[in-house]
Amino acid sequence: GENVEQHPSTLSVQEGDSAVIKCTYSDSASNYFPWYKQELGKRPQLIIDIRSNVGEKKDQRIAVTLNKTAKHFSLHITETQPEDSAVYFCAASREGKLIFGQGTELSVKP
Amino acid sequence: GAGVSQSPSNKVTEKGKDVELRCDPISGHTALYWYRQSLGQGLEFLIYFQGNSAPDKSGLPSDRFSAERTGGSVSTLTIQRTQQEDSAVYLCASSSTGESPLHFGNGTRLTVT
Repeated sequence: GENVEQHPSTLSVQEGDSAVIKCTYSDSASNYFPWYKQELGKRPQLIIDIRSNVGEKKDQRIAVTLNKTAKHFSLHITETQPEDSAVYFCAASREGKLIFGQGTELSVKP
Repeated sequence: GAGVSQSPSNKVTEKGKDVELRCDPISGHTALYWYRQSLGQGLEFLIYFQGNSAPDKSGLPSDRFSAERTGGSVSTLTIQRTQQEDSAVYLCASSSTGESPLHFGNGTRLTVT
């Protein structure tokens, strides 16, 4: 079955710097790759997603890139703010079955 | 409309007892998922329902775990003979199709004493 690896497990940046989180997946048939943000004590919420027919997608300060050949995708957050502090999860889906990475705890220091 | 609703929000049970967790998805959503999140850990896939298809049960950790979805709507996750390692937050999510954004419930925090 699908296996999703996510790195790093923790990431600390200064406010205004960029943050990059990387994920790899094992199933070449996976075709949908969402990213979720989970603030402390809250439910995960979708922040951006990308499908396999697209290489890059951007939404304001957030962007995701996908390399199907290498089976990896990345989340880029620019101009980080303290409210970006949370746990971020990548995920990969084949035929609707969504498998998550282990999560990255991002801390943005003011 | 209403989001995904889970009940109870908290459940404390004694080791060896059975528990039943309920999820009421967003109306019209055909896909329903159960995940388990242990303290400070990731989202462990348990089971996935899509429409009338047979569920994907490949994530259920043992035969003590089972789930059903009645009438394509409400789902219940049952854990028999609970063990302390079953303690976690159980999250339910639904989506309009199999590959669209998931909407999570607030979860059920299960504590086995």
